[in-house]
Amino acid sequence: EVQLVESGGGLVQPGGSLRLSCAASGFTFSTYWMHWVRQVPGKGLVWVSRISTDGSSTSYADSVKGRFTISRDNAKNTLYLQMNSLRAEDTAIYYCAITTGSWGQGTLVTVSS
Amino acid sequence: DIVMTQSPDSLAVSLGERATINCKSSQSVLYNSNNENYLSWYQQKPGQPPRLLIYWASTRESGVPDRFSGSGSGTDFTLTISSLQAEDVAVYYCQQYYTIPLTFGQGTKVEIK
Repeated sequence: EVQLVESGGGLVQPGGSLRLSCAASGFTFSTYWMHWVRQVPGKGLVWVSRISTDGSSTSYADSVKGRFTISRDNAKNTLYLQMNSLRAEDTAIYYCAITTGSWGQGTLVTVSS
Repeated sequence: DIVMTQSPDSLAVSLGERATINCKSSQSVLYNSNNENYLSWYQQKPGQPPRLLIYWASTRESGVPDRFSGSGSGTDFTLTISSLQAEDVAVYYCQQYYTIPLTFGQGTKVEIK
């Protein structure tokens, strides 16, 4: 069974940093492009970032470019999102997801003083 | 960016009746080289992550009941629930994965009449 389990969310002050992790199991992680998508509770879905199977190609939404970094460790079957210079508008549930596939349960990031 | 527009924003359907959700993309998501539409549909219930229902515009994900079907090509797509069940109450999103940034429709809330 495919499982994606996010962790690392929490409360952080504006300007602060967080590192999200997504532990993958039940499939060959190293063969899938992976994404981060966020959702303000009660609102719609917004794509954040994408990474290729070997990590050599990454893409970002304009709203996070230069502040967020996506990476992966295929040996550990884990996807990461390093989030720096966080803003109040980054407050959301962050999901890791497979393109046209499963999503994790999400981890809540709250940016507030 | 490709803008995805869903209609209606919400609909109420009687149990056992048909529910139809439309999705229009601002440009074609049909990739001519493989004749595939890079369009998926997701279902999201309260407190849960999105669940993939349909990909390639009309391919049902494994385990998805056959009352869910997708159709359309190019810029106009439809998700149909042929006989609405109580467990289908949710918000439904279309998504294009033709190009980065991946983009989602605003969501359609389906309720029981």
